[in-house]
Amino acid sequence: DAGITQSPRHKVTETGTPVTLRCHQTENHRYMYWYRQDPGHGLRLIHYSYGVKDTDKGEVSDGYSVSRSKTEDFLLTLESATSSQTSVYFCAISASLAGLTDTQYFGPGTRLTVL
Amino acid sequence: AQTVTQSQPEMSVQEAETVTLSCTYDTSESDYYLFWYKQPPSRQMILVIRQEAYKQQNATENRFSVNFQKAAKSFSLKISDSQLGDAAMYFCAYRTFYNQGGKLIFGQGTELSVKP
Repeated sequence: DAGITQSPRHKVTETGTPVTLRCHQTENHRYMYWYRQDPGHGLRLIHYSYGVKDTDKGEVSDGYSVSRSKTEDFLLTLESATSSQTSVYFCAISASLAGLTDTQYFGPGTRLTVL
Repeated sequence: AQTVTQSQPEMSVQEAETVTLSCTYDTSESDYYLFWYKQPPSRQMILVIRQEAYKQQNATENRFSVNFQKAAKSFSLKISDSQLGDAAMYFCAYRTFYNQGGKLIFGQGTELSVKP
C-alpha cells in the first residue's frame, strides 16, 4: 500500500468554473504525478512534481496548473473547466516498495464530469 | 519520442486457460523499464509486473509472466490458469531508466474478459 488518497472521488461541475483536485500521500515520496485517463488513450501525464515547489509540465498540460507546498500534497487545478476535461484523473507517486525501485503507484482516481 | 502500442483492444479467455496480451514499443534508448498494470472495474491501477531492459531473464510473478524480446521491442504478458478475478483492462507502460522521476508512457489498453 503506497498510502495515496485522492479527493474528491467524484465531482460534477459546470463549464467555466475552477476545480481543484487533491492528492495526498503519507510516506514522504519525492515524486508525484497527475495523469488523466480517456478511452483509447490510456493514461497521459498532465504535470509532475520532483519536490516541494518543484513542478514541470507533461504532455497534456494546457488548461491545468499544479501546486505542491508540502511534500504530502499535490494539487491539480483546472482554471476554467471545459467539457474536454471530463475524464478520470489519477495521482501517482514513485516509490521503492517490495524490492522494486522507482516504480509508480496510483491513487484510486477522481471521476470529473464537466457539463 | 517513445511510444507504446497495444494492438488488441479486447481479448477473451476461458477460465483456467492461458492468454497472452501483446505490447510493442518504440524507443532509441537501450536501458528502460517496462510494466504491466491491471485496472479492474474498481478503476484502481494495480502493478502486475515489471521488467528491466538490461535483464535478459523474463520477469515472473505467480501466474503472470512476460516474454520480453528487446530486439523486436516486444513485451507480452502471459496469464496462466486464468481466474474470474483477472477480468480487467490491462495497460502496458514504458519508463526511461535514466530519470528516476520519469513519466510513464502508456499503451491504449486491452480489455480482458474471462469466461466461466
